[in-house]
Amino acid sequence: DAGVIQSPRHEVTEMGQEVTLRCKPISGHDYLFWYRQTMMRGLELLIYFNNNVPIDDSGMPEDRFSAKMPNASFSTLKIQPSEPRDSAVYFCASSWGQGVTAFFGQGTRLTVV
Amino acid sequence: GESVGLHLPTLSVQEGDNSIINCAYSNSASDYFIWYKQESGKGPQFIIDIRSNMDKRQGQRVTVLLNKTVKHLSLQIAATQPGDSAVYFCAEAGGGATNKLIFGTGTLLAVQP
Repeated sequence: DAGVIQSPRHEVTEMGQEVTLRCKPISGHDYLFWYRQTMMRGLELLIYFNNNVPIDDSGMPEDRFSAKMPNASFSTLKIQPSEPRDSAVYFCASSWGQGVTAFFGQGTRLTVV
Repeated sequence: GESVGLHLPTLSVQEGDNSIINCAYSNSASDYFIWYKQESGKGPQFIIDIRSNMDKRQGQRVTVLLNKTVKHLSLQIAATQPGDSAVYFCAEAGGGATNKLIFGTGTLLAVQP
C-alpha cells in the first residue's frame, strides 16, 4: 500500500484565496483525521471522520474551514478565504476500526502571503 | 481542555548512549498512548504504543514505560543512533473518544556523533 497520500505537498497562495487540500487514506481504513501543525501550537486535531461521516469537528478553528469526505478514498480540507495565520503544515491520517494508531501522510505545507 | 505536555523541548545525547524522552499527560481517562517520531519534512511515524493495562512494552531498541499513578509516559531508546535524530511526540487517546489522538508538544532529540 502507498500509505496516506496528500496533495499538493506545497501550496503558496495569496490572502483571501480559496485553498483546497486533498487526502487519500490507506485503503480499508475507516477513520480519517485532519491535523494542523505549527511551531506555536504543535499538532492540533481539526476534524475526524468515521465511515465518511464527520464525528468531531471541534478543532476546526472557524467557519472559514470546512472538510468533506465524499467517499472512503477521498477527503478535502478547504479554507475560504485564506489568511496568513493559516500558514502551517496540514496532515491527513487514517486508521482502522478500533486500532487507534493513525498513519500519517507527508503533509501539505501551506503558506498564505 | 486537558492536554499532553512534555518536560524537555530538546534532548542532546551522544551516539551510542541511551535516550529517555518524557511526557506528562493530564487526562486520567486516557487508556491508550502512542509515541511518534517525526523527521524533518515528513509526517509523524508510529514507533510504539501501550495500553493503560500495561506499564511497560518493548520494541526494537525502544521501550515505553507508563506510570498511571503520576500520569507519566517515557520512551527509552537504546544505543541511540544519528538516524534517531527527530522530534518525538507522545499522544493519548481514550476517555470515550477512543480514536481521537491528542498530541503533546514534542521533544527534539539531537544525536551527537
